[in-house]
Amino acid sequence: SQELEQSPQSLIVQEGKNLTINCTSSKTLYGLYWYKQKYGEGLIFLMMLQKGGEEKSHEKITAKLDEKKQQSSLHITASQPSHAGIYLCGARYNNNDMRFGAGTRLTVKP
Amino acid sequence: DAMVIQNPRYQVTQFGKPVTLSCSQTLNHNVMYWYQQKSSQAPKLLFHYYDKDFNNEADTPDNFQSRRPNTSFCFLDIRSPGLGDAAMYLCATARWGFYEQYFGPGTRLTVT
Repeated sequence: SQELEQSPQSLIVQEGKNLTINCTSSKTLYGLYWYKQKYGEGLIFLMMLQKGGEEKSHEKITAKLDEKKQQSSLHITASQPSHAGIYLCGARYNNNDMRFGAGTRLTVKP
Repeated sequence: DAMVIQNPRYQVTQFGKPVTLSCSQTLNHNVMYWYQQKSSQAPKLLFHYYDKDFNNEADTPDNFQSRRPNTSFCFLDIRSPGLGDAAMYLCATARWGFYEQYFGPGTRLTVT
């Protein structure tokens, strides 16, 4: 079974709408990372969360880590076509070892 | 600009013909990773180096080998590629103690 589950698998939203992507771990993690991947390219780091209850924001993207450090959500406010891509969460369980979710494919319709 | 470079971006090889993928970095990071990513799947960690210390994932097939001759370069060798090895191969680097990983653009491998 997957250590990290992301939902939804894909998401289509109208430009300007808000959206949320979830990432759930089967066990407590040491760090949670959000990345964005454009089709056929590498991953671009967005944010890192380490402490239970932590929340970080960058421009219109906000990520939160729950108190138990097993679930994170990524929220995009007023989505734009530039937000389109695949969002992956990664979890660190052991030092310098990362496990990824399968990703959420986001499409933003103009 | 400091970055992670992967060559080639696209590689076509024949079934059973050895192939080598290359990764270089100008970040002077001491940790380097190789991931395999198949379509619509999560990147799967194959192995990583902490300096010259090699760490193999338990389920990485023996068909996959790696070399790190110096800090800047890391190679992925696939000794006898099978059709199931067709995938995107991602290289990433990190500084020990700082777990943010910097990814290269990937090499898409096709096996014919």
